[in-house]
Amino acid sequence: RKEVEQDPGPFNVPEGATVAFNCTYSNSASQSFFWYRQDCRKEPKLLMSVYSSGNEDGRFTAQLNRASQYISLLIRDSKLSDSATYLCVVNGPNSGYALNFGKGTSLLVTP
Amino acid sequence: DAGVTQSPTHLIKTRGQQVTLRCSPKSGHDTVSWYQQALGQGPQFIFQYYEEEERQRGNFPDRFSGHQFPNYSSELNVNALLLGDSALYLCASSPLGGADNYGYTFGSGTRLTVV
Repeated sequence: RKEVEQDPGPFNVPEGATVAFNCTYSNSASQSFFWYRQDCRKEPKLLMSVYSSGNEDGRFTAQLNRASQYISLLIRDSKLSDSATYLCVVNGPNSGYALNFGKGTSLLVTP
Repeated sequence: DAGVTQSPTHLIKTRGQQVTLRCSPKSGHDTVSWYQQALGQGPQFIFQYYEEEERQRGNFPDRFSGHQFPNYSSELNVNALLLGDSALYLCASSPLGGADNYGYTFGSGTRLTVV
């Protein structure tokens, strides 16, 4: 079983829609959780960290459920510029300094 | 403030050849990690360098080796290239000896094609 699993999509949504991505992780000892955004043929960039209490950054909300070992990302009022691949990233004591990436979920926002 | 710089941006090599990729970390960062991202996959951790030594290694064969210089820049070497080594190679730097997971900055990568 892979350490981090995501639905690859693609998710095709109209502008203004709300879309949610989920990610599951296998190591219950994982400690740090992130969502990265990667545009086509570009490098990953940190979108937001994910905290146990949940956190929000503008139109983006991240949630962590440790009991079920899943992480979610909610994007409200989708913009065309949100089209990208969203990578779920986990780090924990077993992985040391390595970031464990999921395969990514592809989002396409259409006019 | 320069971010992470990688060179070259693109490279085409033949099977069996050797390749060296280079990375200059972001100013103030002392730790360099290398990742391989195959098409349609997430980045996979190759290794991390700190204080000029390989501190941690992912599940990659010995054909993959690296080096870190006193100025914190780093090289990734791949010997005996295989077609399956074709990928985007990403360098990520971080401060504080890599203790800060929130401080990773990725370079734009080197796209390696093996033919």
